Amino acid sequence: QQQVKQSPQSLIVQKGGISIINCAYENTAFDYFPWYQQFPGKGPALLIAIRPDVSEKKEGRFTISFNKSAKQFSLHIMDSQPGDSATYFCAASSGNFNKFYFGSGTKLNVKP
Amino acid sequence: EAQVTQNPRYLITVTGKKLTVTCSQNMNHEYMSWYRQDPGLGLRQIYYSMNVEVTDKGDVPEGYKVSRKEKRNFPLILESPSPNQTSLYFCASSGTGVRELFFGEGSRLTVL
Repeated sequence: QQQVKQSPQSLIVQKGGISIINCAYENTAFDYFPWYQQFPGKGPALLIAIRPDVSEKKEGRFTISFNKSAKQFSLHIMDSQPGDSATYFCAASSGNFNKFYFGSGTKLNVKP
Repeated sequence: EAQVTQNPRYLITVTGKKLTVTCSQNMNHEYMSWYRQDPGLGLRQIYYSMNVEVTDKGDVPEGYKVSRKEKRNFPLILESPSPNQTSLYFCASSGTGVRELFFGEGSRLTVL
């Protein structure tokens, strides 16, 4: 049973558009929600992360929206660029930090 | 340069032939972990280690072993590989109290 459910599996967006990837979780003990970006042939790298005491976090063109009551969080990429084409993973972990649970990944293709 | 180094990057082997995938980090991180990445399943944790001589199972430990005799190294051992262990493997590390995972570039393993 997957602890973090991610959708969509793939996404095609035109350059300049908004990319939105959604994740949902069940375990209310989770208190840290990162997003990782992975380019082909590379390992995932931390993109942005949020804790449940805030509803939104923005870093440049990347924004996490967090809905604690719905147990959902999403990644928004504004003004999407071809260089953003990658696979994105949401994840969750709890206070003792020893385990991370990743979503199934979203392959984003930004068309020029 | 701060990095997590995995070897080999690519390996084709046969069922039952023991193999070891090495992982080394140069960031003096206490925490290290192994993940496998499969299409549609995202990243799943195999084993993790909070420090030297301290290891514990993740979500999919069956068929794998690990050891942590030195802080910088965390090898993954497949005693008797089977075709269902064909996957892309990632090692990751993190510092104490820091939840950012630093990933290696991955090791693609094929078991025939």
